[in-house]
Amino acid sequence: AQSVTQLGSHVSVSEGALVLLRCNYSSSVPPYLFWYVQYPNQGLQLLLKYTTGATLVKGINGFEAEFKKSETSFHLTKPSAHMSDAAEYFCAVSPPGWGTYKYIFGTGTRLKVLA
Amino acid sequence: DTAVSQTPKYLVTQMGNDKSIKCEQNLGHDTMYWYKQDSKKFLKIMFSYNNKELIINETVPNRFSPKSPDKAHLNLHINSLELGDSAVYFCASSQGTSGNLYNEQFFGPGTRLTVL
Repeated sequence: AQSVTQLGSHVSVSEGALVLLRCNYSSSVPPYLFWYVQYPNQGLQLLLKYTTGATLVKGINGFEAEFKKSETSFHLTKPSAHMSDAAEYFCAVSPPGWGTYKYIFGTGTRLKVLA
Repeated sequence: DTAVSQTPKYLVTQMGNDKSIKCEQNLGHDTMYWYKQDSKKFLKIMFSYNNKELIINETVPNRFSPKSPDKAHLNLHINSLELGDSAVYFCASSQGTSGNLYNEQFFGPGTRLTVL
């Protein structure tokens, strides 16, 4: 069965520091991969996605993620954290063959940015 | 020009009551979803409808009944509410009619349900 693991339910970084949020998936076939962000009291917004092609994908707000098949990972990074990045981040996978019909979400990582 | 809207935003009710949450999308999508986010922020899919047809039902109690009057609407009706139903419920939509076709899901702002 597909599953998604996000290491670290809470991550704190200083403003201007590197952001690294980890996501690993389990699947015998590479799924489609997504990162969503949820700001307080709001719905989820897509940051970036990987389906096929280039394994380094760039998203909005300066975020990027790299799909590493050998490590079954899709970690999210941003070179320099901004206060406005404080939010909950969710990694999600969509199993091949299900296309857009089914997301499996990780448990989320709350990012705190310290001044 | 809200893409996916939900009403109400907050819902406080007593145990045993029946309530509905409405969802509408104006994106022209043909697939809609309901998710439940618990107090630990864990998001789990409940239902998915494609062209008004149920395609995913993830072992949700039958007290929960989705209804899709047309492709733009997917409402969630909950009977005999229980304390454990307290959560934030998110509606989402996407364009996808093929099992191998990917398109991202767009989420609504959520409905916070509190059962007392």
